[in-house]
Amino acid sequence: QKEVEQNSGPLSVPEGAIASLNCTYSDRVSQSFFWYRQYSGKSPELIMSIYSNGDKEDGRFTAQLNKASQYVSLLIRDSQPSDSATYLCAVPPGYSSASKIIFGSGTRLSIRP
Amino acid sequence: EAEVAQSPRYKITEKSQAVAFWCDPISGHATLYWYRQILGQGPELLVQFQDESVVDDSQLPKDRFSAERLKGVDSTLKIQPAELGDSAMYLCASSSGTGTGANVLTFGAGSRLTVL
Repeated sequence: QKEVEQNSGPLSVPEGAIASLNCTYSDRVSQSFFWYRQYSGKSPELIMSIYSNGDKEDGRFTAQLNKASQYVSLLIRDSQPSDSATYLCAVPPGYSSASKIIFGSGTRLSIRP
Repeated sequence: EAEVAQSPRYKITEKSQAVAFWCDPISGHATLYWYRQILGQGPELLVQFQDESVVDDSQLPKDRFSAERLKGVDSTLKIQPAELGDSAMYLCASSSGTGTGANVLTFGAGSRLTVL
């Protein structure tokens, strides 16, 4: 089992709809969770972080965390063509503060006009 | 806005040649990471530094790869000899290493390596 798993996609969503991206992780003691966006040929950029169970909203983005089920998701409301990118889930192990951060393989999202 | 600097942006080399990548993290960031990203995959950690010390290099192919961060600031990743399978994007990232920013990574633009 991979430490961080994501559906590779591509996920195709019509413009204006909600895009839902999921990530599962294996380390039960992980405490922090991150979503990065990566445009083709570019480097990843942080878009969301979440540390507590429940939802965290930032503009059109909502991160959802369920530690009991070991999954974290990212919702993008009112999807725009500029949201077309690969979304990477990143999870540090829970045993130290600055530790080996594992990335999932990413989900490729395509917003169709 | 503070940035992570990387060079070169692009490198084309023949197999068996030596290659070096350089990274200058955000000023004050104690933790520096080198990741390798093969097309269509997520970044894979090669080496992590805390100041000048290696924290994790378990995935670094040590027969051909080396990394150093001698003064705890900038870092160099070297490959010798390069192989065809080394073709990838090499990403450098840094983080403050402490507090709430401990695991928040800022990436450089990356160095795209093509081995012929």
